[in-house]
Amino acid sequence: DAGVTQSPTHLIKTRGQHVTLRCSPISGHKSVSWYQQVLGQGPQFIFQYYEKEERGRGNFPDRFSARQFPNYSSELNVNALLLGDSALYLCASILGSLGSGNTIYFGEGSWLTVV
Amino acid sequence: KNQVEQSPQSLIILEGKNCTLQCNYTVSPFSNLRWYKQDTGRGPVSLTIMTFSENTKSNGRYTATLDADTKQSSLHITASQLSDSASYICVVTVTNTDKLIFGTGTRLQVFP
Repeated sequence: DAGVTQSPTHLIKTRGQHVTLRCSPISGHKSVSWYQQVLGQGPQFIFQYYEKEERGRGNFPDRFSARQFPNYSSELNVNALLLGDSALYLCASILGSLGSGNTIYFGEGSWLTVV
Repeated sequence: KNQVEQSPQSLIILEGKNCTLQCNYTVSPFSNLRWYKQDTGRGPVSLTIMTFSENTKSNGRYTATLDADTKQSSLHITASQLSDSASYICVVTVTNTDKLIFGTGTRLQVFP
């Protein structure tokens, strides 16, 4: 079975541009969450979606938005990119909710560089 | 404020030696505590998951402990291998919020 897949793996954008990152969860998983990991730091929670509804949001500005599609795949959108948005963006999927104690599976991430 | 703090920030050990990584959290109430291994530039991989009622969980050479009273967890690695070189991240789930709080990780380097 395929794991969590993310695309693109690497991309470079200029300040002010918009970016869309994509994630496909493990088959059967209905929960997807997004994280930002700046170099040298631990991941920071951005969003969690379960059954196509937003279930949690971290402390990120409104420039960050996400959605989950009927097939449970998800997109993370970031508008008006800033240099500080440069990071590894991780997507994770889980069977059930985060509080269930089930394993959370992470994708390999999308490296975003803003110049 | 919900926080997860890990120590040491970095650690160097020789192959074959044991080591222990620490995680202190102020998250309350919490559902579970997880330890992840993250190789540089890769996504984190799950090592252990513990609920508040569990106080130890093993996965091969990795053993995690949890003291819910003192809000401390540790990850013990026995007979370290070169492939153990990675960042180890402690993650706590906040009950009823579906939110994960990550520690900043401990960077472990194992030398031959």
